[in-house]
Amino acid sequence: GQNIDQPTEMTATEGAIVQINCTYQTSGFNGLFWYQQHAGEAPTFLSYNVLDGLEEKGRFSSFLSRSKGYSYLLLKELQMKDSASYLCAALDSNYQLIWGAGTKLIIKP
Amino acid sequence: TAGITQAPTSQILAAGRSMTLRCTQDMRHNAMYWYRQDLGLGLRLIHYSNTAGTTGKGEVPDGYSVSRANTDDFPLTLASAVPSQTSVYFCASSDSTSGGTGELFFGEGSRLTVL
Repeated sequence: GQNIDQPTEMTATEGAIVQINCTYQTSGFNGLFWYQQHAGEAPTFLSYNVLDGLEEKGRFSSFLSRSKGYSYLLLKELQMKDSASYLCAALDSNYQLIWGAGTKLIIKP
Repeated sequence: TAGITQAPTSQILAAGRSMTLRCTQDMRHNAMYWYRQDLGLGLRLIHYSNTAGTTGKGEVPDGYSVSRANTDDFPLTLASAVPSQTSVYFCASSDSTSGGTGELFFGEGSRLTVL
């Protein structure tokens, strides 16, 4: 079956760096998305990776290893507003998105 | 800019009643989607539409129906609501070309409670 695994919850300190991991098992693969979702709000797009390597976008970076079925989202210089859930989603061979349950990130002062 | 608008934002519904969740987008996106989000689970696709006039079933379509009469509107109907349909429902759209999905744009969600 198809599956996305990511930690349920993580805690980090304001100003620090945190890495949120995601492993995926899908029938075929056409890319990996990360979305941010603040409590009670809609998910918003953060990044898309289809090739191996690191994509940097300001304080956020996303990494993909297709051979390992692995991705991570790296958040630098954490701010309180980064407290949110981070959703990992993989695009399978039928271009259907398979979603993880999300990682709730708690930022402490 | 409106983007995607969902209505209602919240609703309490008696079991057995019907309900239509409305979704309208003003971005002229060809693809639209309905997801439900439940605690501890990933977003699950209910129905989708790749273009006006066509619809398809997602992962959890039972008990739901959709229509896509035009590009902008994609209503989701629960014909006879059951308590297991208590959830937060998100409508989304994307400017997808054939063979792929681009970035998804989500509405603010509709919180439905079925008693």
